[in-house]
Amino acid sequence: EDQVTQSPEALRLQEGESSSLNCSYTVSGLRGLFWYRQDPGKGPEFLFTLYSAGEEKEKERLKATLTKKESFLHITAPKPEDSATYLCAVQAAGTYKYIFGTGTRLKVLA
Amino acid sequence: DTEVTQTPKHLVMGMTNKKSLKCEQHMGHRAMYWYKQKAKKPPELMFVYSYEKLSINESVPSRFSPECPNSSLLNLHLHALQPEDSALYLCASSPFSDRGSGNTIYFGEGSWLTVV
Repeated sequence: EDQVTQSPEALRLQEGESSSLNCSYTVSGLRGLFWYRQDPGKGPEFLFTLYSAGEEKEKERLKATLTKKESFLHITAPKPEDSATYLCAVQAAGTYKYIFGTGTRLKVLA
Repeated sequence: DTEVTQTPKHLVMGMTNKKSLKCEQHMGHRAMYWYKQKAKKPPELMFVYSYEKLSINESVPSRFSPECPNSSLLNLHLHALQPEDSALYLCASSPFSDRGSGNTIYFGEGSWLTVV
């Protein structure tokens, strides 16, 4: 069965304290792995799409990496405005349905 | 700013009311989606339209009725809802592709629905 697990569920960081969020997945043929940021009461904001193991993408303080079993979202020197829920989703071969993880709630303290 | 626009942002309706949620995208995408999201949960897929035709209905109760008037517009008609239907309703779109590389979905800001 296709599955996505995110860890930790919640994370508190001091401003400037770098860390990583994990997304482990089991899928029958990966079409893509997606990272989103979601602020309270808003829709998910697209961050990255990764297609194959070894791929990396960066945007400002965020860097996403992908292996055959998991993806990491690295946050370098986070700021309070990075506080949000980060969602990971995978798309299996032969479908355009997303399987979402339950998210990591990140709080960055000033 | 998201290129998927949803209206209204907030809606309060009684259980006997009929209302509609509206969504518009101008990215030329050929797939459009409705998702439902409850607090502290990930989005749950409700419907998918591809090339203006309903292609996926995730066993959604008939009190939710989707409509796709054209490739840019998506509506969700609501009738006789229950309080447990209160949630954030998200519209999304993507370039349609059923094979090959992953199909990135772009979400709107959502419509908060409260059923009283």
